[in-house]
Amino acid sequence: DTAVSQTPKYLVTQMGNDKSIKCEQNLGHDTMYWYKQDSKKFLKIMFSYNNKELIINETVPNRFSPKSPDKAHLNLHINSLELGDSAVYFCASSHPDGTDTQYFGPGTRLTVL
Amino acid sequence: GDSVTQMEGPVTLSEEAFLTINCTYTATGYPSLFWYVQYPGEGLQLLLKATKADDKGSNKGFEATYRKETTSFHLEKGSVQVSDSAVYFCALSAGGGSNYKLTFGKGTLLTVNP
Repeated sequence: DTAVSQTPKYLVTQMGNDKSIKCEQNLGHDTMYWYKQDSKKFLKIMFSYNNKELIINETVPNRFSPKSPDKAHLNLHINSLELGDSAVYFCASSHPDGTDTQYFGPGTRLTVL
Repeated sequence: GDSVTQMEGPVTLSEEAFLTINCTYTATGYPSLFWYVQYPGEGLQLLLKATKADDKGSNKGFEATYRKETTSFHLEKGSVQVSDSAVYFCALSAGGGSNYKLTFGKGTLLTVNP
Protein backbone atom coordinates (compact mmCIF):
# COMPACT_ATOMS: atom_id res chain seq x y z
CA ASP A 1 0.00 0.00 0.00
CA THR A 2 1.37 3.37 -1.00
CA ALA A 3 1.52 5.68 2.01
CA VAL A 4 2.00 9.04 0.26
CA SER A 5 1.35 9.17 -3.47
CA GLN A 6 1.76 12.00 -5.97
CA THR A 7 0.65 12.44 -9.55
CA PRO A 8 2.07 12.99 -12.01
CA LYS A 9 5.62 11.73 -11.53
CA TYR A 10 6.91 13.84 -14.41
CA LEU A 11 5.50 17.07 -15.79
CA VAL A 12 6.97 18.90 -18.78
CA THR A 13 5.29 22.12 -19.82
CA GLN A 14 5.81 25.49 -21.46
CA MET A 15 6.39 28.78 -19.68
CA GLY A 16 3.18 30.60 -18.91
CA ASN A 17 1.04 27.46 -18.55
CA ASP A 18 -0.93 26.49 -15.44
CA LYS A 19 -0.45 23.03 -13.93
CA SER A 20 -1.48 21.01 -10.89
CA ILE A 21 0.16 18.30 -8.83
CA LYS A 22 -1.95 16.02 -6.66
CA CYS A 23 -1.01 14.36 -3.38
CA GLU A 24 -2.83 11.78 -1.30
CA GLN A 25 -1.90 10.04 1.94
CA ASN A 26 -3.50 6.99 3.52
CA LEU A 27 -1.69 7.19 6.84
CA GLY A 28 -4.44 8.99 8.72
CA HIS A 29 -2.21 12.02 9.32
CA ASP A 30 -3.64 15.45 10.02
CA THR A 31 -0.74 17.45 8.59
CA MET A 32 0.51 17.61 5.02
CA TYR A 33 3.35 19.54 3.43
CA TRP A 34 4.83 20.62 0.13
CA TYR A 35 8.60 20.85 -0.25
CA LYS A 36 10.62 22.02 -3.24
CA GLN A 37 13.96 20.42 -4.16
CA ASP A 38 16.11 22.48 -6.49
CA SER A 39 18.70 21.31 -8.99
CA LYS A 40 21.37 21.23 -6.26
CA LYS A 41 19.18 18.91 -4.17
CA PHE A 42 18.39 21.60 -1.60
CA LEU A 43 15.01 21.00 0.06
CA LYS A 44 12.83 23.79 1.37
CA ILE A 45 9.37 23.87 2.90
CA MET A 46 6.72 25.66 0.86
CA PHE A 47 3.44 25.03 2.68
CA SER A 48 1.91 22.99 5.44
CA TYR A 49 -1.73 22.26 6.15
CA ASN A 50 -3.24 20.86 9.32
CA ASN A 51 -6.69 19.35 8.96
CA LYS A 52 -7.35 21.38 5.80
CA GLU A 53 -6.16 24.65 7.35
CA LEU A 54 -3.10 26.49 6.01
CA ILE A 55 -0.43 26.67 8.72
CA ILE A 56 2.83 27.52 6.97
CA ASN A 57 3.27 29.62 3.85
CA GLU A 58 6.97 30.10 3.47
CA THR A 59 7.26 33.22 1.28
CA VAL A 60 6.17 31.37 -1.81
CA PRO A 61 5.00 33.46 -4.81
CA ASN A 62 1.23 33.68 -4.95
CA ARG A 63 1.32 31.90 -8.32
CA PHE A 64 1.48 28.80 -6.12
CA SER A 65 -1.85 27.91 -4.54
CA PRO A 66 -2.24 24.83 -2.40
CA LYS A 67 -5.68 23.34 -1.86
CA SER A 68 -6.72 20.74 0.67
CA PRO A 69 -10.18 19.32 -0.08
CA ASP A 70 -9.89 16.96 2.90
CA LYS A 71 -7.16 16.01 5.29
CA ALA A 72 -5.97 13.12 3.11
CA HIS A 73 -5.34 15.30 0.07
CA LEU A 74 -3.17 18.33 -0.61
CA ASN A 75 -2.91 19.58 -4.18
CA LEU A 76 -0.59 22.23 -5.56
CA HIS A 77 -1.67 24.48 -8.40
CA ILE A 78 0.87 26.66 -10.15
CA ASN A 79 -0.16 29.54 -12.40
CA SER A 80 1.92 31.21 -15.10
CA LEU A 81 4.82 28.81 -14.84
CA GLU A 82 8.33 30.23 -15.01
CA LEU A 83 11.67 28.61 -15.86
CA GLY A 84 12.73 28.92 -12.21
CA ASP A 85 9.84 26.73 -11.13
CA SER A 86 11.64 23.71 -12.59
CA ALA A 87 12.35 21.45 -9.62
CA VAL A 88 11.21 18.30 -7.89
CA TYR A 89 8.19 18.86 -5.65
CA PHE A 90 7.66 16.53 -2.71
CA CYS A 91 4.53 16.06 -0.71
CA ALA A 92 4.81 14.76 2.86
CA SER A 93 2.54 14.00 5.79
CA SER A 94 2.81 13.51 9.53
CA HIS A 95 0.99 13.90 12.80
CA PRO A 96 1.05 17.52 14.03
CA ASP A 97 3.95 16.82 16.39
CA GLY A 98 7.50 17.97 15.94
CA THR A 99 8.87 14.61 17.02
CA ASP A 100 6.87 12.73 14.44
CA THR A 101 8.40 11.38 11.25
CA GLN A 102 7.34 13.05 8.04
CA TYR A 103 6.58 10.54 5.28
CA PHE A 104 7.44 11.68 1.78
CA GLY A 105 5.89 10.94 -1.57
CA PRO A 106 8.01 9.89 -4.58
CA GLY A 107 8.20 13.44 -5.93
CA THR A 108 7.03 15.19 -9.09
CA ARG A 109 9.75 16.39 -11.44
CA LEU A 110 8.51 19.59 -13.08
CA THR A 111 10.36 20.87 -16.13
CA VAL A 112 9.38 24.26 -17.54
CA LEU A 113 10.60 24.91 -21.09
CA GLY B 1 16.16 31.35 12.21
CA ASP B 2 16.71 27.63 12.34
CA SER B 3 19.47 26.16 10.21
CA VAL B 4 21.34 22.93 9.56
CA THR B 5 24.90 22.70 8.32
CA GLN B 6 26.18 19.40 7.05
CA MET B 7 29.39 18.22 5.51
CA GLU B 8 29.73 19.14 1.86
CA GLY B 9 30.08 16.23 -0.44
CA PRO B 10 30.54 14.32 -2.46
CA VAL B 11 31.99 11.57 -0.31
CA THR B 12 33.47 8.53 -2.04
CA LEU B 13 34.39 5.44 -0.04
CA SER B 14 35.35 1.85 -0.66
CA GLU B 15 33.08 -0.91 0.56
CA GLU B 16 33.55 -1.71 4.28
CA ALA B 17 35.04 1.71 5.02
CA PHE B 18 33.93 3.77 8.03
CA LEU B 19 31.54 6.63 7.33
CA THR B 20 31.04 9.90 9.18
CA ILE B 21 28.88 12.73 7.89
CA ASN B 22 28.98 15.77 10.15
CA CYS B 23 25.85 17.75 10.97
CA THR B 24 25.43 20.76 13.25
CA TYR B 25 22.35 22.83 13.84
CA THR B 26 21.10 26.16 15.12
CA ALA B 27 17.63 26.31 16.62
CA THR B 28 15.66 27.96 19.38
CA GLY B 29 14.13 25.58 21.88
CA TYR B 30 14.56 21.84 21.67
CA PRO B 31 14.26 20.54 18.12
CA SER B 32 13.95 16.93 17.05
CA LEU B 33 16.73 15.78 14.75
CA PHE B 34 16.51 13.48 11.73
CA TRP B 35 18.58 11.85 9.06
CA TYR B 36 16.77 11.20 5.81
CA VAL B 37 18.17 9.27 2.84
CA GLN B 38 17.32 9.73 -0.83
CA TYR B 39 18.22 6.90 -3.19
CA PRO B 40 18.59 7.78 -6.88
CA GLY B 41 15.27 8.68 -8.47
CA GLU B 42 13.30 8.20 -5.25
CA GLY B 43 11.72 10.26 -2.51
CA LEU B 44 13.10 10.75 0.98
CA GLN B 45 12.99 8.00 3.57
CA LEU B 46 13.61 8.39 7.25
CA LEU B 47 16.88 6.75 8.23
CA LEU B 48 16.88 7.56 11.95
CA LYS B 49 15.84 10.22 14.43
CA ALA B 50 16.38 11.49 17.97
CA THR B 51 13.93 13.65 19.84
CA LYS B 52 15.87 14.74 22.91
CA ALA B 53 19.41 15.37 24.08
CA ASP B 54 21.66 12.30 24.43
CA ASP B 55 19.22 10.11 22.50
CA LYS B 56 20.85 7.82 19.96
CA GLY B 57 19.01 7.00 16.78
CA SER B 58 20.01 3.86 14.89
CA ASN B 59 18.88 1.92 11.84
CA LYS B 60 20.50 -0.39 9.27
CA GLY B 61 23.90 -0.05 10.96
CA PHE B 62 23.76 3.77 10.93
CA GLU B 63 23.87 5.71 14.20
CA ALA B 64 23.67 9.32 15.32
CA THR B 65 23.62 10.84 18.81
CA TYR B 66 21.83 14.09 19.70
CA ARG B 67 24.51 16.25 21.35
CA LYS B 68 23.01 19.41 22.79
CA GLU B 69 26.32 20.73 24.11
CA THR B 70 27.89 20.73 20.65
CA THR B 71 24.57 21.15 18.74
CA SER B 72 25.51 18.18 16.58
CA PHE B 73 23.97 15.02 15.16
CA HIS B 74 26.74 13.31 13.21
CA LEU B 75 25.88 10.23 11.17
CA GLU B 76 28.17 7.19 11.40
CA LYS B 77 28.34 3.71 10.00
CA GLY B 78 31.09 1.23 10.73
CA SER B 79 31.16 -0.57 7.39
CA VAL B 80 29.43 0.87 4.33
CA GLN B 81 28.05 -1.15 1.43
CA VAL B 82 27.56 -0.30 -2.22
CA SER B 83 23.82 -0.21 -1.53
CA ASP B 84 24.36 2.73 0.87
CA SER B 85 25.15 5.00 -2.09
CA ALA B 86 22.61 7.83 -1.83
CA VAL B 87 22.15 11.44 -0.75
CA TYR B 88 21.91 11.90 3.02
CA PHE B 89 20.08 14.84 4.57
CA CYS B 90 20.30 16.03 8.14
CA ALA B 91 17.18 17.87 9.29
CA LEU B 92 15.60 19.43 12.34
CA SER B 93 11.98 19.85 13.26
CA ALA B 94 10.99 22.86 15.30
CA GLY B 95 7.89 24.92 15.87
CA GLY B 96 4.89 24.74 18.13
CA GLY B 97 1.23 23.76 18.10
CA SER B 98 0.70 22.34 14.62
CA ASN B 99 3.32 24.70 13.17
CA TYR B 100 6.15 22.25 12.55
CA LYS B 101 8.39 22.03 9.52
CA LEU B 102 11.61 20.28 8.59
CA THR B 103 14.66 22.44 7.97
CA PHE B 104 17.19 20.51 5.92
CA GLY B 105 20.92 20.65 5.41
CA LYS B 106 22.15 20.77 1.83
CA GLY B 107 22.61 17.03 1.54
CA THR B 108 25.73 14.88 1.20
CA LEU B 109 26.14 12.58 -1.77
CA LEU B 110 27.76 9.30 -0.76
CA THR B 111 29.17 6.93 -3.35
CA VAL B 112 30.45 3.55 -2.22
CA ASN B 113 32.65 1.63 -4.64
CA PRO B 114 33.05 -2.16 -4.60
